[in-house]
Amino acid sequence: DAGVTQSPTHLIKTRGQQVTLRCSPKSGHDTVSWYQQALGQGPQFIFQYYEEEERQRGNFPDRFSGHQFPNYSSELNVNALLLGDSALYLCASSLLSGLAGGADTQYFGPGTRLTVL
Amino acid sequence: AQKVTQAQTEISVVEKEDVTLDCVYETRDTTYYLFWYKQPPSGELVFLIRRNSFDEQNEISGRYSWNFQKSTSSFNFTITASQVVDSAVYFCALSGRRALTFGSGTRLQVQP
Repeated sequence: DAGVTQSPTHLIKTRGQQVTLRCSPKSGHDTVSWYQQALGQGPQFIFQYYEEEERQRGNFPDRFSGHQFPNYSSELNVNALLLGDSALYLCASSLLSGLAGGADTQYFGPGTRLTVL
Repeated sequence: AQKVTQAQTEISVVEKEDVTLDCVYETRDTTYYLFWYKQPPSGELVFLIRRNSFDEQNEISGRYSWNFQKSTSSFNFTITASQVVDSAVYFCALSGRRALTFGSGTRLQVQP
C-alpha cells in the first residue's frame, strides 16, 4: 500500500521564477492538502483540494495556486518566487469522512525542499 | 482563531529516561480533534495519534501515552523509557474544519 509520494525531492530556483510541485495521495484517499514548513517552524496550511476544487485556503497570496486531477493527484504552483518561499512543502492526503470538527487524519508525504536564490 | 502552543523548544534526555512533551491549545469549536505527529530528520511527518474533543480517556500505545485534559486545554505526550530512535521533532496539531493548525514543535534528543 503506497503512501503519499511527492516530487521532486529537492528544487533550486531563482527569484521571480515559477515552480510546480507534485503529489500523489495514499491509495484510497480523495483529499489533498498542502502545507509550507519554514525551517524551525511548524507546517502552515496553504490549501486543500477535494473533487478537483479548492475547499479551503490558508493565509497565502494568490501566487500560490493548485490543482487536483481526476485521479486525486495534485499540483502546487508558486509564481514570482521570493526568497521567503524557501521551505519544505508538504503534501497530505486524507479520506473525506463527512464528520464534523476536522476528523479526517491526514497522512503526509516526505516533502519537497524548495530553495530560492 | 485556533492556536497550539508547544512551549518546550528542545528537550535532551538520556536513554531510558521518561519524557513528557507539553501541548496547550485554544479553540472556540466544541467539536475538534487533536493530533500528534513525529518528524524525524528525513522530514516526513509520521502520524502518531488522533483524539476527539469528547474522549478524555488517556491512551497508551507501547511506550507512548497521551493525557488529554479538556479543563486545561492540554494534550500532553509521554514517552516511557526513551530510546535513541525517539529522537525527532514532535508536533501537536489541532483540527479546524479542514485544516490542521500546528504548534512550533518540540525537538527531542535522546542521548545514548
